[in-house]
Amino acid sequence: AQSVAQPEDQVNVAEGNPLTVKCTYSVSGNPYLFWYVQYPNRGLQFLLKYITGDNLVKGSYGFEAEFNKSQTSFHLKKPSALVSDSALYFCAVRLGGGATNKLIFGTGTLLAVQP
Amino acid sequence: DAGVIQSPRHEVTEMGQEVTLRCKPISGHDYLFWYRQTMMRGLELLIYFNNNVPIDDSGMPEDRFSAKMPNASFSTLKIQPSEPRDSAVYFCASSLNREHQPQHFGDGTRLSIL
Repeated sequence: AQSVAQPEDQVNVAEGNPLTVKCTYSVSGNPYLFWYVQYPNRGLQFLLKYITGDNLVKGSYGFEAEFNKSQTSFHLKKPSALVSDSALYFCAVRLGGGATNKLIFGTGTLLAVQP
Repeated sequence: DAGVIQSPRHEVTEMGQEVTLRCKPISGHDYLFWYRQTMMRGLELLIYFNNNVPIDDSGMPEDRFSAKMPNASFSTLKIQPSEPRDSAVYFCASSLNREHQPQHFGDGTRLSIL
């Protein structure tokens, strides 16, 4: 079965420090992976996706993610965290072929950036 | 461009009442998804439509839940009768009918069943 796992419920980081939010996946076939962010009382917002090609994917708000096939991981990173990055982050994998665009989401990781 | 619009943003009602949640997807999007988010179960896909046709409703919890999409610009999720365990935030999302297109989410309806 295809799935994603986010092993950390919460990540704490000081403002200005680099941050990493972890995601591992299990898929049959080529993985199509996404990161979304959710701010309080808002819907999920798309950050970035990996489909094919370069293992380092750049997205919105200075975030990037590194795809690692051997470790089946797709970790979200940012070189310098901001307090405003504090939010809930979801990793997702696309299911099915064609243009279904059906996603399975991880359980989410709460990122807390301290001033 | 307007995003996905959901109404109402908040709904408080008593157990046994009928609840109708509404969604207007982004114009031109062919896929529409309904999700439910709770602390206990996280984000669950309930049902999704392609070109107004339900494709997969395997996530709908039980017969009390129903969803319709009468046209490309409107969808409803109905709960009848409602129960306290239905309390959650319900999200609608839409996407283009092309591979790997991201889903665009509305800001959700926070439903409380007393």
